Amino acid sequence: EVQLVESGGGLVQPGRSLRLSCTASGFTFGDYAMSWVRQAPGKGLEWVGFIRSKAYGGTTEYAASVKGRFTISRDDSKSIAYLQMNSLKTEDTAVYYCTRDSMYSSSSDFFDYWGQGTLVTVSS
Amino acid sequence: DIQMTQSPSTLSASVGDRVTITCRASQSISSWLAWYQQKPGKAPKLLIYKASSLESGVPSRFSGSGSGTEFTLTISSLQPDDFATYYCQQYNSLPTFGQGTKVEIK
Repeated sequence: EVQLVESGGGLVQPGRSLRLSCTASGFTFGDYAMSWVRQAPGKGLEWVGFIRSKAYGGTTEYAASVKGRFTISRDDSKSIAYLQMNSLKTEDTAVYYCTRDSMYSSSSDFFDYWGQGTLVTVSS
Repeated sequence: DIQMTQSPSTLSASVGDRVTITCRASQSISSWLAWYQQKPGKAPKLLIYKASSLESGVPSRFSGSGSGTEFTLTISSLQPDDFATYYCQQYNSLPTFGQGTKVEIK
């Protein structure tokens, strides 16, 4: 059974940093790209960024709203994806979801599995 | 960025109704479109990918159609479990989502 479990959310002050983790199981993690998607309270879904599998270079792409502040990385030996969030702003307050992305493409795809989400609150 | 626009934003319907949600892209995305269902406090669930392919385990009352810039999600006979918010997502380029359509009980 595919499972994605996020952790690391919490309350953080504006300008500070936070790192989220996504622990995967039930599939060959290294074969897939992984994306992060967020949802501000009462709002819609926003794609944050993704990391390609090593087969496609392990490189990353980001939404304009987080580019230069957020970094996605992965540890295939541990089946974990990370979202490092720096210079956090109040508008980054959201539930952050880890999702399984594409296997056969270098581009981001649809998301067939989602974690339960972890809440990040940016407030002083 | 490709903009995705869903209509309506809210839809009131009864059990047994046929429901259609529309999603329009700001430029052609071929058939690179997915649909998700989200219930309050839960993660979204994939329903449809590549515009019309039904995800495994999703009831056959859900169907998707369209290509280019105009797409639809149809629920042939609305069931109590289907009251939720639905999102479209394009993946022709970096992903973007529609703003969502909430299906409410009439």
